[in-house]
Amino acid sequence: QSALTQPASVSGSPGQSITISCTGISTDTPPYRDVSWFQQHPGKPPKLIIFDVTDRPSGVSYRFSGSKSGNTASLTISGLQAEDEADYYCSSYTSVSTPLYVFGTGTKVTVL
Amino acid sequence: QVQLQESGPGLVKPSETLSLTCGVSGGSMRGYWWSWVRQPPGKGLEWIAEIFPTGSSNYNPSLKSRVTILVDKSKNQFSLILNSVTAADTALYYCARHMTGVNTFDYWGQGALVTVSS
Repeated sequence: QSALTQPASVSGSPGQSITISCTGISTDTPPYRDVSWFQQHPGKPPKLIIFDVTDRPSGVSYRFSGSKSGNTASLTISGLQAEDEADYYCSSYTSVSTPLYVFGTGTKVTVL
Repeated sequence: QVQLQESGPGLVKPSETLSLTCGVSGGSMRGYWWSWVRQPPGKGLEWIAEIFPTGSSNYNPSLKSRVTILVDKSKNQFSLILNSVTAADTALYYCARHMTGVNTFDYWGQGALVTVSS
């Protein structure tokens, strides 16, 4: 599978909600929940913020939520804050084709 | 708290071999998959390969002919070897741990910048 497609940039004002899409998700590995999202601030490694489509690791703000419909996954950031300004990458896993792990093209989130 | 630390040369000449090691501290390597992921400057992430402590491994087909991933449980580390490098291999190389029971990466190293240049 090739790189997943994300919008290059999304912006919003503090307090608003924004949604980032990720298309091209493989639908051949049941239960079809192998979608993750990562946040990356400049000069830092990626940080896992969503796994299994909707789950948040311990310590990740409830303002981050994930969903999926068909071959498109989405990340919603509610109550946008200045600290949310970063790059965001989706990731998908498949066991029936290669490469096993594919990342999205990345989205730059700007807080206006 | 698991910590990962990449180490290796920051400059490699074209056609030569890139070699990086990821040291794992604060936990055992047993029972987890471990991966290398790279990010060219200003670009997105690319998964390179994964390995289990038994030595079982998988590779990205786009790099498979040039990549070897190895594990040394006794030293709690795993390594990446990339042959015949070109400028296109210039990137920040991250090592990462796979989350238990989930196909994703929960712990990442800080990354090692490798530049391919003569």
